[in-house]
Amino acid sequence: EAQVTQNPRYLITVTGKKLTVTCSQNMNHEYMSWYRQDPGLGLRQIYYSMNVEVTDKGDVPEGYKVSRKEKRNFPLILESPSPNQTSLYFCASSSGQVPSYNEQFFGPGTRLTVL
Amino acid sequence: AQKVTQAQTEISVVEKEDVTLDCVYETRDTTYYLFWYKQPPSGELVFLIRRNSFDEQNEISGRYSWNFQKSTSSFNFTITASQVVDSAVYFCALSEARNTDKLIFGTGTRLQVFP
Repeated sequence: EAQVTQNPRYLITVTGKKLTVTCSQNMNHEYMSWYRQDPGLGLRQIYYSMNVEVTDKGDVPEGYKVSRKEKRNFPLILESPSPNQTSLYFCASSSGQVPSYNEQFFGPGTRLTVL
Repeated sequence: AQKVTQAQTEISVVEKEDVTLDCVYETRDTTYYLFWYKQPPSGELVFLIRRNSFDEQNEISGRYSWNFQKSTSSFNFTITASQVVDSAVYFCALSEARNTDKLIFGTGTRLQVFP
């Protein structure tokens, strides 16, 4: 089954304690991205990756890092989480074949609380 | 600049009422794609529809219908004979031809359908 998986699904942590949210897709997609969802703000893109070893900032990258060492994985790293990073996070992937439209596949979401 | 506006923050209706969720978009591209996603209380994003900018035909899928009007830059979503299971947050989103992999989301409309 084609899918995007995220782990963990729920996480409560404390300020400053480094954490990683994993994202994996089994569709051999080139493009992967991370979004955060906040009340009243919708979903905003944090980082994206066009392919292995190619990453770039989205609209709200501050406080986050990503890496793309393998095509299937795109972890989101919070080196020193702060309470304003409490949010619902979604990973997404698509085939990245320009110029045709590419369907986005979303993971189930990770609800992060930083105390 | 690209932008999606969902002016209705929250809508409450009684079951069997019809309800329309508004979506207004801004883009400079002539080729773009518009989407609606549903986010039920469980939190995942459920894809509902995609429309490209060259196809202004309205679409109907069961109780759901979409009205795309380029003249007013709107892509409104109507639920006919609403049901309690329609209660969710609904997001309208836009992607542009120059980067079809990035979705620009509106802030969402929370729909509550009461029995």
